[in-house]
Amino acid sequence: KQEVTQIPAALSVPEGENLVLNCSFTDSAIYNLQWFRQDPGKGLTSLLLIQSSQREQTSGRLNASLDKSSGRSTLYIAASQPGDSATYLCAVVDNNDMRFGAGTRLTVKP
Amino acid sequence: ETGVTQSPTHLIKTRGQQVTLRCSSQSGHNTVSWYQQALGQGPQFIFQYYREEENGRGNFPPRFSGLQFPNYSSELNVNALELDDSALYLCASSSGRAQPQHFGDGTRLSIL
Repeated sequence: KQEVTQIPAALSVPEGENLVLNCSFTDSAIYNLQWFRQDPGKGLTSLLLIQSSQREQTSGRLNASLDKSSGRSTLYIAASQPGDSATYLCAVVDNNDMRFGAGTRLTVKP
Repeated sequence: ETGVTQSPTHLIKTRGQQVTLRCSSQSGHNTVSWYQQALGQGPQFIFQYYREEENGRGNFPPRFSGLQFPNYSSELNVNALELDDSALYLCASSSGRAQPQHFGDGTRLSIL
């Protein structure tokens, strides 16, 4: 059974810092891994999707990497801004379903 | 291009009642998935529909059922509501299982 873990559960940084969010999964037989952002009381906004054959994806200040063999992904956020404050969720799609981690709650202080 | 829309945004029910939640897929998407998100947790997969057929199901009892219509909109039905069913219910559409999923803002269901 696929399990997805995100560390840390919460993170607080000053504005301008670069930061890394971690995601690990137990079964490497995945189709893809997706990073989402969720603002309080809202749905999920897709940030980056990495197919199983890819190593990384970049969008603006965000870079996501995937190491399938070790069951790990990282989301790198450069030059963080207060508007980046949200919960970040990773999810893997395998043969059965899409399984999410519990998320990392990020606070960027001005 | 319209995104995924869900209705209603909030709903209050009592134990034992039945509820229907609705989702309109993003234009061009033929796959819809439903998730339950309890407070402080990640979403849990309920089931997925592809071209009106159930295409995968998570660990939820049969009182959770769904439908997908020819226009690819979808419903989630929950019978015999329990207190633990209180959660945010999210719908996501995509153009295939391995394609990016686009989420609606969810329906907040509270069971009293």
